[in-house]
Amino acid sequence: SQKIEQNSEALNIQEGKTATLTCNYTNYSPAYLQWYRQDPGRGPVFLLLIRENEKEKRKERLKVTFDTTLKQSLFHITASQPADSATYLCARRNQAGTALIFGKGTTLSVSS
Amino acid sequence: DGGITQSPKYLFRKEGQNVTLSCEQNLNHDAMYWYRQDPGQGLRLIYYSQIVNDFQKGDIAEGYSVSREKKESFPLTVTSAQKNPTAFYLCASMPGQGNTEAFFGQGTRLTVV
Repeated sequence: SQKIEQNSEALNIQEGKTATLTCNYTNYSPAYLQWYRQDPGRGPVFLLLIRENEKEKRKERLKVTFDTTLKQSLFHITASQPADSATYLCARRNQAGTALIFGKGTTLSVSS
Repeated sequence: DGGITQSPKYLFRKEGQNVTLSCEQNLNHDAMYWYRQDPGQGLRLIYYSQIVNDFQKGDIAEGYSVSREKKESFPLTVTSAQKNPTAFYLCASMPGQGNTEAFFGQGTRLTVV
């Protein structure tokens, strides 16, 4: 079965540094991967989508990469701020293409 | 404003009771989903529906039931057969298959008392 894994449960960094979060997938390569942000007690909010033929995608201070050889996506937040503290979730479509499956998430804490 | 609305925000259930969680969307999306979130477990798929009057089981459907009588609505019933129902429940919708993102509601926190 397809799996999606976010190996780090928590990541603590200082303000101004770059946060790098990892998402690994198993089995076949998904057509695309998605990243979401979730604040405590709230629903996830979509951030970025990257297709397998795209090496890199950027949106403001966010950057996502997709490496089909390593079966991995990296999510970077540059010049991190305390307001970036949240849980970040990686997602892919299931094999039938009918639903999204999510990793367990990485909780980022940015200290000032 | 378009969006997806879950109610109630907090729900308390007694042992042996069925409870129904509401999910309504005005985004005109075909597909709707229910996920359960427990600490350290991430989001797990309960049920989903690609079209009105049709739905499929997800990974953890036991003890839950759904209906999809209208495009806008996808209620989830947590039955007494669900032995550990205390969790955060999230409803989502998507336009359909393809390269599209999911839109989530604000969640319902269900607690068994």
